[in-house]
Amino acid sequence: AQSVTQPDIHITVSEGASLELRCNYSYGATPYLFWYVQSPGQGLQLLLKYFSGDTLVQGIKGFEAEFKRSQSSFNLRKPSVHWSDAAEYFCAGEGPGTASKLTFGTGTRLQVTL
Amino acid sequence: EAQVTQNPRYLITVTGKKLTVTCSQNMNHEYMSWYRQDPGLGLRQIYYSMNVEVTDKGDVPEGYKVSRKEKRNFPLILESPSPNQTSLYFCASKPGHFTGANVLTFGAGSRLTVL
Repeated sequence: AQSVTQPDIHITVSEGASLELRCNYSYGATPYLFWYVQSPGQGLQLLLKYFSGDTLVQGIKGFEAEFKRSQSSFNLRKPSVHWSDAAEYFCAGEGPGTASKLTFGTGTRLQVTL
Repeated sequence: EAQVTQNPRYLITVTGKKLTVTCSQNMNHEYMSWYRQDPGLGLRQIYYSMNVEVTDKGDVPEGYKVSRKEKRNFPLILESPSPNQTSLYFCASKPGHFTGANVLTFGAGSRLTVL
């Protein structure tokens, strides 16, 4: 079955420190991959997406993610975290084909300490 | 502005009282979908629709109905709500054909509490 796994439920980092959120996927073929962010009480905002091509993807707010086929991973990174980055982050995958659904991981809640 | 609009944004109701959450998009998208979000479970798909009059079950369809009579609208119907349907609901849409930029556009969410 197609699935997306986020191993970390909760992560705490200090402001200014680097961040890496983990995401692993299980699909028969290379999926489309996404990272979304949800601030408290808010909806979902797309940070970045990977469809094909360059395996290092740049997104908004200074985030990037690297697609690693050998590790079935799509980890999200940011070199220096700001207090406003505190939110819940969701990795999601979608199989090729327009009928395929977007499957979400269970989310990682990021806390930023000052 | 291109958007997906859900209503109501917040609702408290009682067990068994039928309710409908409306969803409308102004992007002429063929594909629409409903998700529910629960703590520790992420977002799970309830139903989706590939086009008018074409709907199918997602991962958690029990207790829900949908209809797609018009391209722009995709209402979620809870015929007899129960407390386990207390959740945050999201509607989303995207083009039905791959354009190279197919990304789901999400509504702002509807928080439903069933007492």
